[in-house]
Amino acid sequence: NAGVTQTPKFRILKIGQSMTLQCTQDMNHNYMYWYRQDPGMGLKLIYYSVGAGITDKGEVPNGYNVSRSTTEDFPLRLELAAPSQTSVYFCASYPRRVQNSPLHFGNGTRLTVT
Amino acid sequence: GIQVEQSPPDLILQEGANSTLRCNFSDSVNNLQWFHQNPWGQLINLFYIPSGTKQNGRLSATTVATERYSLLYISSSQTTDSGVYFCAVRDKLSFGAGTTVTVRA
Repeated sequence: NAGVTQTPKFRILKIGQSMTLQCTQDMNHNYMYWYRQDPGMGLKLIYYSVGAGITDKGEVPNGYNVSRSTTEDFPLRLELAAPSQTSVYFCASYPRRVQNSPLHFGNGTRLTVT
Repeated sequence: GIQVEQSPPDLILQEGANSTLRCNFSDSVNNLQWFHQNPWGQLINLFYIPSGTKQNGRLSATTVATERYSLLYISSSQTTDSGVYFCAVRDKLSFGAGTTVTVRA
């Protein structure tokens, strides 16, 4: 199993550009999450999904969109990049139906908007 | 939404020392996890512990759900324990702000 895979690892965007952060997991987990982590801070939930076709907003959804057309993939879309979106983005997945199973994180995408 | 508070915010330890990190939450939870973020930014799950006590090597955790807190114990700390420790609760997995641990040789 590859676990949770995020691409790209690094990206620099100009203000107003758009991009999609990719996240895929091969563990058949039903729950998936997107977090952002600003320097020296904790993780803030952007969006999450409890299964294919179902998504919901977290604490900081403004400026982002998600879709969940398959169990494996949960892409995060930035439509009009702003400097405030400079952050490290983590994707995670979790098999909610399986007791005692932990959250699995990807290695993160470091995004800079200038 | 649920509030998650971690204390202390920072902890400096001499190698070999023991320590306790605390996570308070404002409402009942059916899911609580502890994570370690290493200096390279990777997030590693330590414990899934909505209640009770678990141990894994030098680390152990206790959650008292009725009193809305969880504790993470680090014994005989090593420099590799340095990093940020987070707790996260509920199915939305709301994170606390973390405790930054620095272990000095």
